[in-house]
Amino acid sequence: QQQVKQSPQSLIVQKGGISIINCAYENTAFDYFPWYQQFPGKGPALLIAIRPDVSEKKEGRFTISFNKSAKQFSLHIMDSQPGDSATYFCAASIGAAGNKLTFGGGTRVLVKP
Amino acid sequence: GAGVSQSPRYKVAKRGQDVALRCDPISGHVSLFWYQQALGQGPEFLTYFQNEAQLDKSGLPSDRFFAERPEGSVSTLKIQRTQQEDSAVYLCASSRDGEQPQHFGDGTRLSIL
Repeated sequence: QQQVKQSPQSLIVQKGGISIINCAYENTAFDYFPWYQQFPGKGPALLIAIRPDVSEKKEGRFTISFNKSAKQFSLHIMDSQPGDSATYFCAASIGAAGNKLTFGGGTRVLVKP
Repeated sequence: GAGVSQSPRYKVAKRGQDVALRCDPISGHVSLFWYQQALGQGPEFLTYFQNEAQLDKSGLPSDRFFAERPEGSVSTLKIQRTQQEDSAVYLCASSRDGEQPQHFGDGTRLSIL
């Protein structure tokens, strides 16, 4: 059972454009939703995270939008740069930020110069 | 060290051999996690330690998988009688106190021939 579903599997965006990645979850007990960025040969690195008590969180060019009733959340990358080309994973956990994570399947983003 | 260190970075083994993968978490981090990442997929939880206690091993796929953290710092993931389906990247992550987000190592890429 895939508890966190992520789409699209891949996307191509022009430099300066907006990348949008969507995730949907099933377990209503999830209450911590981080996004990770992974480059080839490297481990995932935390980008930004949100809890369900807020609908949006912005850090620099990265914004998470959260819809609790729909059990969906999304990552927006504004002004996409070639250095943003990576695989992005949404994840979810219950309780503390350091609890075990359930990951989505990943989205490979390619930013064309 | 500054980050989570995993060794070896690459491991090739013949089917049926035993392998041992090592994780050095960030110094002082109480929580330690192992995840398995198949090619093109998101990481999947294997097991969790709080200090030396293995509190959750629900993600271990079979009794061929065994993890330990005897002194509450370095951890070893052992896979006995390896099978081709064990081929994956094995990621280790640590968290300072369980309340803080996890920091991931760069993983060990295991290939079973």
